[in-house]
Amino acid sequence: EIVLTQSPGTLSLSPGERATLSCRASQSVSSSYLAWYQQKPGQAPRLLIYGASSRATGIPDRFSGSGSGTDFTLTITRLEPEDFAVYYCQQYGSSLYTFGQGTKLEIK
Amino acid sequence: QVQLQESGPGLVKPSQTLSLTCTVSGGSISSGTYFWSWIRQPAGKGLEWIGRVSTSGSINYNPSLKSRVTISVDTSKNQFSLNLSSVTAADTAVYYCAREPRPGGAALGAFDIWGQGTMVTVSS
Repeated sequence: EIVLTQSPGTLSLSPGERATLSCRASQSVSSSYLAWYQQKPGQAPRLLIYGASSRATGIPDRFSGSGSGTDFTLTITRLEPEDFAVYYCQQYGSSLYTFGQGTKLEIK
Repeated sequence: QVQLQESGPGLVKPSQTLSLTCTVSGGSISSGTYFWSWIRQPAGKGLEWIGRVSTSGSINYNPSLKSRVTISVDTSKNQFSLNLSSVTAADTAVYYCAREPRPGGAALGAFDIWGQGTMVTVSS
């Protein structure tokens, strides 16, 4: 099973700043199968990025994904108030999906 | 606009079987090519994939839960279901159903539509 480790655990930033979230895999992940989600309290996760860098339908272009192999990054440029939430990375391989433990993006 | 809605008991006794149903509305569960999954999240914790089913008969389970999980699909009711047997307090969580597109037949590897989730507590 591929383990995903996200860092930092908590990121404190101000609106308008740039956020960089990391997701590291215990073994190589196909870039086709790395996704990012946003989750707000009491809500289901929302797909942001799939295939490591493709934005899901309706996702603003301030969200971008990059990376390959074992290191992947979610970047949010110019943070908006509604972007403060928990973010999860997720991989798929060998008919098994695993998620990272999450990064909480909080207002500084 | 396809929507998913989980339903089932909110309280299950230890050692019993947890049973949930996900109803697909706004589209046919059989249309297009999709996997239909169950995912859970204990309070304050991360997400765990439980298993998936397709209307073509493909079923896969998380090895960590495989001995206790059964997922099935009922196309006549536009629903798919989860049974988790021999539950303990560790199975207390919010349970989500989710859709994964299969462009060209291959898994997208990501879940584009989620239900709102249903809280299940295992307690006597």
